[in-house]
Amino acid sequence: AQSVTQLDSHVSVSEGTPVLLRCNYSSSYSPSLFWYVQHPNKGLQLLLKYTSAATLVKGINGFEAEFKKSETSFHLTKPSAHMSDAAEYFCVVSENQFYFGTGTSLTVIP
Amino acid sequence: DTAVSQTPKYLVTQMGNDKSIKCEQNLGHDTMYWYKQDSKKFLKIMFSYNNKELIINETVPNRFSPKSPDKAHLNLHINSLELGDSAVYFCASNPSDLARETQYFGPGTRLLVL
Repeated sequence: AQSVTQLDSHVSVSEGTPVLLRCNYSSSYSPSLFWYVQHPNKGLQLLLKYTSAATLVKGINGFEAEFKKSETSFHLTKPSAHMSDAAEYFCVVSENQFYFGTGTSLTVIP
Repeated sequence: DTAVSQTPKYLVTQMGNDKSIKCEQNLGHDTMYWYKQDSKKFLKIMFSYNNKELIINETVPNRFSPKSPDKAHLNLHINSLELGDSAVYFCASNPSDLARETQYFGPGTRLLVL
């Protein structure tokens, strides 16, 4: 069975400092993994996805994520937070359908 | 040039009413989905349609009925609305029935039942 655990429901960082949003998954096979972002009162936008190619995946707006099979993790990082990064972030594991994590709310402090 | 669009964006209605939410995608995708996002922002799939056929029907109440007149449209009709139906409903699509592919989401319909 598939499941996704986002380890932090809220993360606060200062502008210009690194961002780390953690995601662990469980899956019977080799899954596809995604990160989506949802800005307030908006829909979901794809940040990046992993589909068994390179383990380090680069996405939009300077985000990247590393697939670590041994740790069953797919953490999202960004070297330097920007005010516009404040949003809700969802990790998704997919085999036969999308399974969403519970989300991490990112606050960026000026 | 909106890829996945939903109407209405906001919907406020009384308990017991019947309402519909419409979704259209202009991406030429074969599969469309409805998701429900609750007040804690948890997202759960409700329905999936591939080429106008239902391929996922999660355990949602019978009051919810998806209708797909063609593969570019997937509407959601809700009968006898209840307070617990208040949520944000998202439509999504992807190119085929492979869930490994990226899903493209609409802007959401914020439903409030009073």
